[in-house]
Amino acid sequence: DAGVTQSPTHLIKTRGQQVTLRCSPKSGHDTVSWYQQALGQGPQFIFQYYEEEERQRGNFPDRFSGHQFPNYSSELNVNALLLGDSALYLCASSLGLADNEQFFGPGTRLTVL
Amino acid sequence: AQSVAQPEDQVNVAEGNPLTVKCTYSVSGNPYLFWYVQYPNRGLQFLLKYITGDNLVKGSYGFEAEFNKSQTSFHLKKPSALVSDSALYFCAVRDLPHSNYQLIWGAGTKLIIKP
Repeated sequence: DAGVTQSPTHLIKTRGQQVTLRCSPKSGHDTVSWYQQALGQGPQFIFQYYEEEERQRGNFPDRFSGHQFPNYSSELNVNALLLGDSALYLCASSLGLADNEQFFGPGTRLTVL
Repeated sequence: AQSVAQPEDQVNVAEGNPLTVKCTYSVSGNPYLFWYVQYPNRGLQFLLKYITGDNLVKGSYGFEAEFNKSQTSFHLKKPSALVSDSALYFCAVRDLPHSNYQLIWGAGTKLIIKP
């Protein structure tokens, strides 16, 4: 039973560039949430996707956007990268919006130079 | 507004001793409370949750947590620490019955178990 997978593992970009991160949920899960975890801090909720729609959004600018595909996988896109976007980006999957246990992927480490 | 506080940046415990990692929360409704652990270069792993019922919740790897409504706390405990328990621990809360399913996270507590 495959868990949550994320790609790529690491990514280096320069300011102003755009980046796309990918996530495949745990088998049987239909809901994907994205988090940003800066060094030494707890995860910050970016948004959550269910039935291919953004259902909840945290306090992140419109530069952060996402998508969910019919197979429940998801992408996180960040435009006009800033140095402050450097962080570990975590994807979590769950079954339904009200499910209480989220399963996390290993994360993508984004470095913006 | 919802919030979670983990007052200790780091907790040091000798192997074999009991450990406690503290968490307090603030929500307007009834809380759903969670503990996750993060090992270096790995994602977050679920340890346990409190939804309702018995205030003492048992979870993975011998961990347990006690929900205290009057003190708005949800401290993580283990009777006998192992060196392999060394990791970063996060407390998180979801505020019900508000229709907002996002988790609010604490800043994390680094647990160091010394042999």
